Amino acid sequence: SQTIHQWPATLVQPVGSPLSLECTVEGTSNPNLYWYRQAAGRGLQLLFYSVGIGQISSEVPQNLSASRPQDRQFILSSKKLLLSDSGFYLCAWSVPVPSAYSPLHFGNGTRLTVT
Amino acid sequence: KNEVEQSPQNLTAQEGEFITINCSYSVGISALHWLQQHPGGGIVSLFMLSSGKKKHGRLIATINIQEKHSSLHITASHPRDSAVYICAAYNNNDMRFGAGTRLTVKP
Repeated sequence: SQTIHQWPATLVQPVGSPLSLECTVEGTSNPNLYWYRQAAGRGLQLLFYSVGIGQISSEVPQNLSASRPQDRQFILSSKKLLLSDSGFYLCAWSVPVPSAYSPLHFGNGTRLTVT
Repeated sequence: KNEVEQSPQNLTAQEGEFITINCSYSVGISALHWLQQHPGGGIVSLFMLSSGKKKHGRLIATINIQEKHSSLHITASHPRDSAVYICAAYNNNDMRFGAGTRLTVKP
C-alpha cells in the first residue's frame, strides 16, 4: 500500500534562517506531488506541485522554493525565513494521471513557527 | 468572496446528534472533495463526488451541481468525529479549498 512520510512534525526557526522540509512517498511510481500551506484559521493554499523529477510549478510567488530530486521525494526550502512563513505545511500525492476521481493523500504535516 | 464557502465555521453537538456541514462554491468543478483534518493536523480524504450521493459508514455526502452546493452529514455523531472538515472544489488539476468547519462532539 502507498504511504507518505513528512518530517519534521514541528519546527521552530528564527527569522532569516534556512528551511528544508522533506516528503517521501512509498508504494507508487511517478506520483504527482504537492506542497500546501495552511495559515491559522484559513484554508489550504497550494504552493507547489510537481508531475515529475525536476518539474516544479509554483502557484504563489513567495519566499519558498521546491525541488524534486527523486521520483518520490519532494523538498520545500527557503534560504531566509520570514515571520509570515509560519504555518502548517502539508505534502500530498495523487496518482500520475490526475482526474476528478483521483483523491489527494496527505502527509501528517509540519507545523513551522518562525520567531 | 471566497470561491469555496463552508458553513458553519464552528459546530458543537452532543453525542448522537445528526450533523450537517454545508459547502457552496462559485467555480466550475469536475468533482468535490470532502476532507477530515484531525486535531494533530493530519488530513484524510473522505469522499470525492461529482453527482448524487455517497455513503461510507455514518458519513453521507451529497452534491447538487445545478445549485453548486454540497453537504456532508454525520449520523449518530460520536466524540471521535471531532475534527475540522474541509471541502475542496476540483477542476482541471486545480483544487480550491474552503476554510473548514470545526466540529466538536461532546459526550
